[in-house]
Amino acid sequence: NAGVTQTPKFQVLKTGQSMTLQCAQDMNHEYMSWYRQDPGMGLRLIHYSVGAGITDQGEVPNGYNVSRSTTEDFPLRLLSAAPSQTSVYFCASSSAGGSDEQYFGPGTRLTVT
Amino acid sequence: GENVEQHPSTLSVQEGDSAVIKCTYSDSASNYFPWYKQELGKGPQLIIDIRSNVGEKKDQRIAVTLNKTAKHFSLHITETQPEDSAVYFCAASNSWGKLQFGAGTQVVVTP
Repeated sequence: NAGVTQTPKFQVLKTGQSMTLQCAQDMNHEYMSWYRQDPGMGLRLIHYSVGAGITDQGEVPNGYNVSRSTTEDFPLRLLSAAPSQTSVYFCASSSAGGSDEQYFGPGTRLTVT
Repeated sequence: GENVEQHPSTLSVQEGDSAVIKCTYSDSASNYFPWYKQELGKGPQLIIDIRSNVGEKKDQRIAVTLNKTAKHFSLHITETQPEDSAVYFCAASNSWGKLQFGAGTQVVVTP
């Protein structure tokens, strides 16, 4: 099992550009989520999904879109990148939402200039 | 919503000594309290968790205690080793709820 995979590992964007961060898991987990990690602020939930076709907002959803067309994939879209979105992004999956072990991907380091 | 506070933000310990990290939470409905370890350049990994029906849990050199009345829980690492150097996060959630993470503790174990 590959677990949770994320691409790309690094990305530099100019302000206003759009891009999609990819996330896939091969553990047949229903629950998937996206976090951003900023120094001194821990991990903050952006969006999450409890199953294919179902998504919801987390703590910091503004500027991001998600969709969940399959159990395996949960892409995160930045519509118009801003310097405030410079961060490390982690995708995670679990079998039972927030009350069970989260399996994290290796992260994507995004810089917006 | 849930708010989790974590202290200290940095912790330097001598190899072989113990390390303690403390967290408090605000939502009395929270019933699941995991601890994650993040090594440099990697995603967080679960090291131990505790549910609200248990007061203490141990796994080799790692233990977690939970005080539901005071709404705080702690991570204890005994006989620290250099490989324990990492960032540690506490978190809290209720059933099928969203995990709320603390801000993290950078632990440095010096030989």
